[in-house]
Amino acid sequence: QSALTQPPSASGSPGQSVTISCTGTSSDVGGDNYVSWYQQHPGKAPKLMIYEVTKRPSGVPDRFSGSKSGNTASLTVSGLQAEDEADYYCSSFAGSNTVVFGGGTKLTVL
Amino acid sequence: QVQLVESGGGVVQPGRSLRLSCAASGFTFSTYAMHWVRQAPGKGLEWVAVISYDGSNKYYADSVRGRFTISRDSSKNTLYLQMNSLRVEDTAVYYCARGRGLSTPAYWGQGTLVTVSS
Repeated sequence: QSALTQPPSASGSPGQSVTISCTGTSSDVGGDNYVSWYQQHPGKAPKLMIYEVTKRPSGVPDRFSGSKSGNTASLTVSGLQAEDEADYYCSSFAGSNTVVFGGGTKLTVL
Repeated sequence: QVQLVESGGGVVQPGRSLRLSCAASGFTFSTYAMHWVRQAPGKGLEWVAVISYDGSNKYYADSVRGRFTISRDSSKNTLYLQMNSLRVEDTAVYYCARGRGLSTPAYWGQGTLVTVSS
């Protein structure tokens, strides 16, 4: 159950797009389509933004999109807004019916 | 609306036990898998355990297997986490989350803080 690998930080200016990567192995990210992304503001609970690689829960803006290639999944935030500044975590269904998270990426809106 | 309220956190000495509860409302509790996820102070998220909708299947992270037990009482719409042999490294905010199946903690409560310290 090794953690997925995310860059510690990412940044972009308002209106720009930013992409955050999440690298795992063929046993987790590359093994199925159960990759999720979460947004967490300071002191708050995480919020599901993307599930099953590309799907958005109701109420999540379409500025948030997900993709996957091989063992690496990505979250793209388009048209950056100030309120997008937060920590972002990826997760994947892994072996033995477990879940593994990435280490998190702090997104800064410049 | 969906509501998950965790309770039972506090300060406990290493080696002791604690039981967390998560009261669910606003949805049909008995039809959803439920997860526990924790976050150490200033650190990232760590998945802890999941229980299937009917309680028949339970899975754990290696770090807690054999020490923690997840359970549910659908008559009370409540999820539990029994934590035994607690260690300093178990110090964290513990979140319960309604699952999109076993694979995805989807909707999260606000968490309860567990501090393991002598």
